[in-house]
Amino acid sequence: DAMVIQNPRYQVTQFGKPVTLSCSQTLNHNVMYWYQQKSSQAPKLLFHYYDKDFNNEADTPDNFQSRRPNTSFCFLDIRSPGLGDAAMYLCATSRERLETQYFGPGTRLLVL
Amino acid sequence: GENVEQHPSTLSVQEGDSAVIKCTYSDSASNYFPWYKQELGKGPQLIIDIRSNVGEKKDQRIAVTLNKTAKHFSLHITETQPEDSAVYFCAARLSSGSARQLTFGSGTQLTVLP
Repeated sequence: DAMVIQNPRYQVTQFGKPVTLSCSQTLNHNVMYWYQQKSSQAPKLLFHYYDKDFNNEADTPDNFQSRRPNTSFCFLDIRSPGLGDAAMYLCATSRERLETQYFGPGTRLLVL
Repeated sequence: GENVEQHPSTLSVQEGDSAVIKCTYSDSASNYFPWYKQELGKGPQLIIDIRSNVGEKKDQRIAVTLNKTAKHFSLHITETQPEDSAVYFCAARLSSGSARQLTFGSGTQLTVLP
């Protein structure tokens, strides 16, 4: 009965080769978030969607893009991964912006 | 913007003892304070949260206290068990404006020794 699902759990890509990470939710929440978490650090918000409204954080590199084709799914696209983009990528959802965030299990990205 | 400091960064306790993790926040307009537990290789899991109109909240062995005047909040785990071993993150969120997102502390690695 997983509520926030991320696929794949592990992703290996080559330097510069585009990669897409997937998140889906069964909660029918309005807000979906993408975080980047590097080893031994706190999650760092990249961007979020409120319904179809995209909200980018000021310091998120242009290399990171996102798509939300419907309420249930949200994708993180990394156009040209660098070695510094190796991290755990976490998807989270909340019913409304000021409500509790629920995280998925994460996708660990390795860049070779 | 909001800034959250978390201490200690690592904490080891004997099984059965209590563990306390403390966080301070900078913006008095913050009104929501969740705690997340993250096990190795997994996503953060919400374990308890508190809003600024409440001073204390308990859920079985876990409690959170909030001191709005001093701008700090703490996580208390009693009767610790080995499965409590994980990284714990505190967070704070402002109540209004564009800065509605969570600001996380730097995390505490809790180890419960059997």
